[in-house]
Amino acid sequence: AQSVAQPEDQVNVAEGNPLTVKCTYSVSGNPYLFWYVQYPNRGLQFLLKYITGDNLVKGSYGFEAEFNKSQTSFHLKKPSALVSDSALYFCAVSPLSGSARQLTFGSGTQLTVLP
Amino acid sequence: DAGITQSPRHKVTETGTPVTLRCHQTENHRYMYWYRQDPGHGLRLIHYSYGVKDTDKGEVSDGYSVSRSKTEDFLLTLESATSSQTSVYFCAAGFGQNNSPLHFGNGTRLTVT
Repeated sequence: AQSVAQPEDQVNVAEGNPLTVKCTYSVSGNPYLFWYVQYPNRGLQFLLKYITGDNLVKGSYGFEAEFNKSQTSFHLKKPSALVSDSALYFCAVSPLSGSARQLTFGSGTQLTVLP
Repeated sequence: DAGITQSPRHKVTETGTPVTLRCHQTENHRYMYWYRQDPGHGLRLIHYSYGVKDTDKGEVSDGYSVSRSKTEDFLLTLESATSSQTSVYFCAAGFGQNNSPLHFGNGTRLTVT
């Protein structure tokens, strides 16, 4: 069975500093990987995805993520954090083949950017 | 997300009562999904639909049923609500391909007392 682990429930970072939100996954075969962001009282919003090709994926709002196949990781990064980046972040994985039900989400990481 | 509306946004109900949550989309997505969000569990799939009148179970389908009579509407029903079904429920829609992102509504917070 596939799974996603977000080992940190909470990440705090000072504004202007780089941020990293960690994600590791387990899936049969090659994965599709996603990051979503959730602001309070809102639904999830798509940030970026990895399908194939370049291991460094760029997404919305200056976020990027690095796919590392050997470490089965897909960490979310941003060079300079903003207070407005404070939100709940979810990593998700899906196998290349299979049905629409096979998207698995991690448990989420609450990012707080301190002014 | 633009195009996906959930109603109601908040609901409090008593144990044993039936509850129906509604999801409406305007983007003509073929696939629609119901998830529940609970602390420490992320999002878990309840049911999904791959077309009008075509539905299938997800990871946590017990105690829930769904219906899709039109492309734009997807209903989630709790036949007899229990306290364990207190949660935030999200509807999502998409093209159904594994490499396509989902579009989410803003959620329904359901409390079962």
